[in-house]
Amino acid sequence: DSGVTQTPKHLITATGQRVTLRCSPRSGDLSVYWYQQSLDQGLQFLIHYYNGEERAKGNILERFSAQQFPDLHSELNLSSLELGDSALYFCASSRRLYQETQYFGPGTRLLVL
Amino acid sequence: ELKVEQNPLFLSMQEGKNYTIYCNYSTTSDRLYWYRQDPGKSLESLFVLLSNGAVKQEGRLMASLDTKARLSTLHITAAVHDLSATYFCAVDIITGLNYGGSQGNLIFGKGTKLSVKP
Repeated sequence: DSGVTQTPKHLITATGQRVTLRCSPRSGDLSVYWYQQSLDQGLQFLIHYYNGEERAKGNILERFSAQQFPDLHSELNLSSLELGDSALYFCASSRRLYQETQYFGPGTRLLVL
Repeated sequence: ELKVEQNPLFLSMQEGKNYTIYCNYSTTSDRLYWYRQDPGKSLESLFVLLSNGAVKQEGRLMASLDTKARLSTLHITAAVHDLSATYFCAVDIITGLNYGGSQGNLIFGKGTKLSVKP
């Protein structure tokens, strides 16, 4: 158990819908990263927050957004969902801003029908 | 664009034999990570290699880093069934303007799926 929690574990929804994925980092960690894992794209970095501020963006679609709250938990919002958004979404956390091992949560498996 | 390539992508191993997974990356990075993922599970951190020539060992796994060749290897000694999983290497991007020279997000290889057969 990495100490990173994610909810929900599974999510089934329909195309066009909006969902919110939640992540709580390890105690004391200020950085939260979001990744998407799919069979065709592999593991892709989406976005990084540090202490409430966005620090880096990767291959994140405009339909997706995220934020990190004062209590350091983070939410990833996915809207206008498409079939291709079906994937495993991980968040990871680390203590500092950069150059540290990232500890991954259990993931949220999203299925868009 | 930073690329991370692993090979092989699939490896069927016999118990008791030794194997090596290779991880090549295309641009400068002084920090390389190895993770393990069991089917349907999360990623578990195995090693972080911080400098050229770094070598780390944990049980039957040994990882090394050659930053000049931009190559890391994960060596498996006397494979056992418990090692069956997918192994990922990852590097973080170095951009000089950012704190510590690193942007922080990880670029992953496609993973190497190991299967150990008796």
